[in-house]
Amino acid sequence: NAGVMQNPRHLVRRRGQEARLRCSPMKGHSHVYWYRQLPEEGLKFMVYLQKENIIDESGMPKERFSAEFPKEGPSILRIQQVVRGDSAAYFCASSGRNQPQHFGDGTRLSIL
Amino acid sequence: DAKTTQPPSMDCAEGRAANLPCNHSTISGNEYVYWYRQIHSQGPQYIIHGLKNNETNEMASLIITEDRKSSTLILPHATLRDTAVYYCIVRVGDTNAGKSTFGDGTTLTVKP
Repeated sequence: NAGVMQNPRHLVRRRGQEARLRCSPMKGHSHVYWYRQLPEEGLKFMVYLQKENIIDESGMPKERFSAEFPKEGPSILRIQQVVRGDSAAYFCASSGRNQPQHFGDGTRLSIL
Repeated sequence: DAKTTQPPSMDCAEGRAANLPCNHSTISGNEYVYWYRQIHSQGPQYIIHGLKNNETNEMASLIITEDRKSSTLILPHATLRDTAVYYCIVRVGDTNAGKSTFGDGTTLTVKP
């Protein structure tokens, strides 16, 4: 009974490159959430998606960041033209009917 | 979502009960209290949630005051592996849909 799967666990990018983070929700879950945790800080909500729809993106930076949750396949958080300040742990969570949100173990993004 | 207030840190002796308080004085009637913990930068782990009745599961107990303005998470027999940051969150509804707003949490240190 696999939990929320995130990959890669660690990702290193140079400034200006693109970062793509993937999240496979728990089986039967149709809601996906992305959170960001900067070093020594708490988790900050970024975006909430259901299949093929963005429900709440109030925490997403206005530029360079995008998210999708296609009908088939994992949810993708995409960061274009990365900068040093994007270095953080990015956590994905999923939930389903009458199920609490479960989190993955995150992707640690490092920008050189 | 209502704001929560937690002490920044607490210590507990191994084998003793750990009682973690949370104030949520502006909680609305349809908001639930959720508790998560994060162990050493892993993904947050769901512990328990409730509306107004006390709740118990295999991990912990949740005591919510009658006026619902505060709650206490109880780990009945703390172990060293319970050392973590504990987050108290209030959210609308029991469907687990929607974002979670994480504060700074309480760092619980269990000592031998």
